[in-house]
Amino acid sequence: GESVGLHLPTLSVQEGDNSIINCAYSNSASDYFIWYKQESGKGPQFIIDIRSNMDKRQGQRVTVLLNKTVKHLSLQIAATQPGDSAVYFCAENPFTGANSKLTFGKGITLSVRP
Amino acid sequence: DGGITQSPKYLFRKEGQNVTLSCEQNLNHDAMYWYRQDPGQGLRLIYYSQIVNDFQKGDIAEGYSVSREKKESFPLTVTSAQKNPTAFYLCASSADRGREQYFGPGTRLTVT
Repeated sequence: GESVGLHLPTLSVQEGDNSIINCAYSNSASDYFIWYKQESGKGPQFIIDIRSNMDKRQGQRVTVLLNKTVKHLSLQIAATQPGDSAVYFCAENPFTGANSKLTFGKGITLSVRP
Repeated sequence: DGGITQSPKYLFRKEGQNVTLSCEQNLNHDAMYWYRQDPGQGLRLIYYSQIVNDFQKGDIAEGYSVSREKKESFPLTVTSAQKNPTAFYLCASSADRGREQYFGPGTRLTVT
């Protein structure tokens, strides 16, 4: 299958443990952030998003934390499962108005050990 | 069943040939995007379109062309001018610029 994780940073976790995936974003003016999951050979899937007026948002087994002071975004996955193994991307919207569009990070590979 | 479709999943072409990648969406989204993905790199924006009959160059538009004649369709042509066309190509759409984008399954293009 397609391997999009070559040369990307890798986080290895034990099945059942919690995972924390971190992302540093570039623009202090960004007002919207998204986490995507991409399995090998597939397109990215939306996981969760957060706006800049929030510090934390929870979904099913996932939590996104936003620290605007240090321009840091994190994704926490509770009770990590083998199906969580994938490449995870953060994306930000650093532009406004007519130029508004997402900018994607390079991605982090999550590897879940059985 | 709503979503984005890309075809074909795998595409092989000889160097010097133009090739067109298909992208169709039935989400009624105004904005559509084409990205290129290479191993170890993030998504790089090739072209995007905010509305029918309008499109803008992204960060790596050289050697590519697009059209947006219908809201549902945003085909990408990889021309012979693209120096290194072998890559994984992803199409996406969104209801609004700068917001959540929905991705298709991708097309793996190999040029030899």
